[in-house]
Amino acid sequence: DFQMTQSPSSVSASVGDRVTITCRASQGIGSWLAWYQQKPGKAPKLLIYGVSTLQTGVPSRFSGSGSETDFTLTINSLQPEDFATYYCQQADSFPTFGGGTKVEI
Amino acid sequence: EVQLVESGGGLVQPGRSLRLSCAASGFTFDDYAMHWVRQAPGKGLEWVSGISWNSVSIGYTGSVKGRFTISRDNAKSSLYLEMSSLRAEDTAFYYCAKDLYRSGLRYFDLWGRGTLVTVSS
Repeated sequence: DFQMTQSPSSVSASVGDRVTITCRASQGIGSWLAWYQQKPGKAPKLLIYGVSTLQTGVPSRFSGSGSETDFTLTINSLQPEDFATYYCQQADSFPTFGGGTKVEI
Repeated sequence: EVQLVESGGGLVQPGRSLRLSCAASGFTFDDYAMHWVRQAPGKGLEWVSGISWNSVSIGYTGSVKGRFTISRDNAKSSLYLEMSSLRAEDTAFYYCAKDLYRSGLRYFDLWGRGTLVTVSS
């Protein structure tokens, strides 16, 4: 079974900071990777798919990179609305999510 | 308005069954694969099951295989999840989610608000 390992599990940051979240797949997944943002009490929101393709309406301060087993989500110039939990998800086989990274003040 | 609305959640005893429904609107339902994703309170996301646009491709996570059945009715723009032999560990918010694509079970670009299933005696 696929395992998706995210790090860190939480990060403290301030408005204007650059935040980097990593995701490691237990086996190569090519470019089949997405990132989601979830705020408390809300459904997740697709941010990025195919490693680096921004979903419509997602601000350009979000970016993704990586391939096969190692992937990164970068948030440039963190905004107040970006404080949330972020999940990676592999789509090479049946979908599997990472454990999540909480971005907090 | 483009939306997914889940229903059917509630409190159920261990070993019993429950059927979840998801009503889709605002998009061409039979153009996309659909999924159920769950989240135990305070925990992370777990994909439960997915179904292609024509119901030919279906998948389940290991812990629900043989107990849950996903189906869809394209004429009614509806998705279903029949859950049987429910266990305490199935307690979670269950989200209906639309795939970005028609056939492969890949990414989730539209989510419902979720329905809570609580399995307890």
